[in-house]
Amino acid sequence: QVQLVESGGGVVQPGRSLRLSCAASGFTFSTYALHWVRQPPGKGLEWVAIMFSDGNNRYYADSVKGRFTVSRDNSKNTLYLQMNSLRAEDTAVYYCARSMIYSDSSPAFYFDVWGQGTLVTVSS
Amino acid sequence: EIVLTQSPATLSLSPGERATLSCRASQTVSSYLAWYQQKPGQAPRLLIHDASNRATGIPARFSGSGSGTDFTLTISSLEPEDFAIYYCQHRSNWPLTFGGGTKVEIK
Repeated sequence: QVQLVESGGGVVQPGRSLRLSCAASGFTFSTYALHWVRQPPGKGLEWVAIMFSDGNNRYYADSVKGRFTVSRDNSKNTLYLQMNSLRAEDTAVYYCARSMIYSDSSPAFYFDVWGQGTLVTVSS
Repeated sequence: EIVLTQSPATLSLSPGERATLSCRASQTVSSYLAWYQQKPGQAPRLLIHDASNRATGIPARFSGSGSGTDFTLTISSLEPEDFAIYYCQHRSNWPLTFGGGTKVEIK
């Protein structure tokens, strides 16, 4: 079945780095754009970044621009999020999500498949 | 950045009642709006895309309407499993943003 599984979360000190991974299965990974979306404990959802299917184009939320880098390895069906200079306000559950595709194969930038999330806690 | 404002913050209703949730955008998003449902400890689930199109497998009691800046999610008759938090999200431009959510709780 279609599945996304995140890993790499944990407790990290402010200013340090962490890399998240998202392993995909059950669909043609290279066809889809993929996103990272985060949710601080007890709060709402925040879109973080998108990596387009071509592996070249990407966009970021202003809150992470210059600190986070999204990448993908289509040979491994895996999406990554490299997080540098972490801050307390980056504490959240990080979800990997697939970008929906319309019937004409154009991307829709809605999230039709989600992983279970991985918790990142930034604390000294 | 487009700001999405959801109202009310909390909706207290009984099973079988009709739920009407609102999402207002700070500028037009055309029909590029989605709705998600999230239950405690779970990832969100896509309900509606492009304002009024139900996602695959979503029951017909969920419907969406609106365009421009004002959107509505309607649950025609609440089932026990519908009590959850609902978020709207636009895809009109970058960055993508979500509303703050509406919690539908059992009265």
